[in-house]
Amino acid sequence: GAVVSQHPSRVICKSGTSVKIECRSLDFQATTMFWYRQFPKQSLMLMATSNEGSKATYEQGVEKDKFLINHASLTLSTLTVTSAHPEDSSFYICSARDGAYEQYFGPGTRLTVT
Amino acid sequence: SQQGEEDPQALSIQEGENATMNCSYKTSINNLQWYRQNSGRGLVHLILIRSNEREKHSGRLRVTLDTSKKSSSLLITASRAADTASYFCATGHFQGAQKLVFGQGTRLTINP
Repeated sequence: GAVVSQHPSRVICKSGTSVKIECRSLDFQATTMFWYRQFPKQSLMLMATSNEGSKATYEQGVEKDKFLINHASLTLSTLTVTSAHPEDSSFYICSARDGAYEQYFGPGTRLTVT
Repeated sequence: SQQGEEDPQALSIQEGENATMNCSYKTSINNLQWYRQNSGRGLVHLILIRSNEREKHSGRLRVTLDTSKKSSSLLITASRAADTASYFCATGHFQGAQKLVFGQGTRLTINP
């Protein structure tokens, strides 16, 4: 149980285009979902926290107009990287929490912007 | 920044030896969790220890927590080649949405 999926697992896009990443909790309802970014050989940095049906809360320094987060249902959150640039290339990981302390992580999405 | 620190940053040992990784953090916590990440993959939850607990075991894993020193350690006994991965501690906080703050991680290499 407690499986979180992400789609796509890898994406390559051209500079200036937008990319949408989906995060789904497959066997539980996620009251809260989190989006992280991880650069090579570095730790995970929290980008934003989203609760179903409400606006996401962004961490300091994260541009909310660039990283659009939608949490339309208790099992789905999406992250859209708008007008992507090469510096946005990174590993994006989502996690979902079912109300307890533990977060369940997705397998990640590797974004490469050319 | 709330982000904690882990040491060592990298650890290389022989198979069968024990591996110890340490984590320090800066603010009061609700819980502390350890995760494993294989290269280019997602995170696997290993163990959660609450702020009122001092030690916890799970299989070959032993975690300690010292809230007075704001530190935790992860011990992996009888290491195996398959334990090669990066290990992260993450602190859960009382306020807000119980978000996690990750440490810098330790890259563990088990040599056969």
